[in-house]
Amino acid sequence: DAGVIQSPRHEVTEMGQEVTLRCKPISGHDYLFWYRQTMMRGLELLIYFNNNVPIDDSGMPEDRFSAKMPNASFSTLKIQPSEPRDSAVYFCASSFSLPNYEQYFGPGTRLTVT
Amino acid sequence: AQKITQTQPGMFVQEKEAVTLDCTYDTSDPSYGLFWYKQPSSGEMIFLIYQGSYDQQNATEGRYSLNFQKARKSANLVISASQLGDSAMYFCAMRDSGSGNTGKLIFGQGTTLQVKP
Repeated sequence: DAGVIQSPRHEVTEMGQEVTLRCKPISGHDYLFWYRQTMMRGLELLIYFNNNVPIDDSGMPEDRFSAKMPNASFSTLKIQPSEPRDSAVYFCASSFSLPNYEQYFGPGTRLTVT
Repeated sequence: AQKITQTQPGMFVQEKEAVTLDCTYDTSDPSYGLFWYKQPSSGEMIFLIYQGSYDQQNATEGRYSLNFQKARKSANLVISASQLGDSAMYFCAMRDSGSGNTGKLIFGQGTTLQVKP
């Protein structure tokens, strides 16, 4: 099993540019989560999907952030326009819908906005 | 509201010694799950151990064990025989698995563990 796949692993962009982060969950998992990790705020849940449907996006910081899951094997997190304060590591995770089942995390995308 | 608290920002332990990382939680739901993750300096999040609220025994996975005290709402991680490779950030997390089963985890702020040779 390849695990959760995220791309790119590193992204450096200039303020104002659009950034798209990609995630392929583990096959068969029906939950997908997007997290952001910074030193100041720790690990924050941004949004999560169940069976490709967004369930809770209350963690999305503002309208500049959007996420989609067009099918069970792909999700994107888009930031437009990007700002320096968006610099962080963004994780994607997936899980089965079983109470005792752990979330499997991808390797993360380190985003730097200059 | 659910909450996870890890009060130890940083911990040191001598190699081969045991160490306990604290975690307290707050939930009104009788059915929930508790998880511990390890994040080494390389950045990946690694699942370590799980404890269900109705589990009769404390969970164990190799050198990891969970000291689950339900009445005190604590789920401390115990690492026995520490190794240099245990140096990492450790996160405690909770999943509400009751009527409001949403699948999401609530994470604590983490504890950084340094193992000294």
